[in-house]
Amino acid sequence: GNSVTQMEGPVTLSEEAFLTINCTYTATGYPSLFWYVQYPGEGLQLLLKATKADDKGSNKGFEATYRKETTSFHLEKGSVQVSDSAVYFCALLSGGSYIPTFGRGTSLIVHP
Amino acid sequence: NAGVTQTPKFQVLKTGQSMTLQCAQDMNHNSMYWYRQDPGMGLRLIYYSASEGTTDKGEVPNGYNVSRLNKREFSLRLESAAPSQTSVYFCASSETGLRENTIYFGEGSWLTVV
Repeated sequence: GNSVTQMEGPVTLSEEAFLTINCTYTATGYPSLFWYVQYPGEGLQLLLKATKADDKGSNKGFEATYRKETTSFHLEKGSVQVSDSAVYFCALLSGGSYIPTFGRGTSLIVHP
Repeated sequence: NAGVTQTPKFQVLKTGQSMTLQCAQDMNHNSMYWYRQDPGMGLRLIYYSASEGTTDKGEVPNGYNVSRLNKREFSLRLESAAPSQTSVYFCASSETGLRENTIYFGEGSWLTVV
């Protein structure tokens, strides 16, 4: 079956630090890959996505590249802000199923 | 643009009481989902509905029932609440059949069973 593995948190950084949150997946076929973000007290919202190998999704300074050879979709940001503090979920959707598979989430805490 | 709306936002129940969580989406999506979120467990799928008139069990369906009332609405019912059902519940929707589909989430319902 499909699965998504994320690095465990919390990840604690100082403002303007570089961020990487690792995500690897197992899936049949050629899945689409997503990063969702959940701010405190809110639901999940799409941050970025990539639908085929070597695609790069980007939004709000965050980037992730679909690496088929390493089955990875790591989230990066060059300079984090306090307002980026949230929980980040990696997810996939494979061609054979419309039910997404989510990772367990990684909490990011950014200090001033 | 309301997106996915779920009610109530907060609820406290006594063990054994019943209640229904309501969810509606205004994006004309075929698929709808109910998830629960618990600390350290991530999101777990309770039930889903691929299209109007169909429902299927997800990963953790025990203790819950659902109704896909029409294309817009998908409700989750707890017939006899238990403390283990204390959680945050999220309704979500998406279009069906496309690999690149985005899942849209509601803002969550915080349920406490005492």
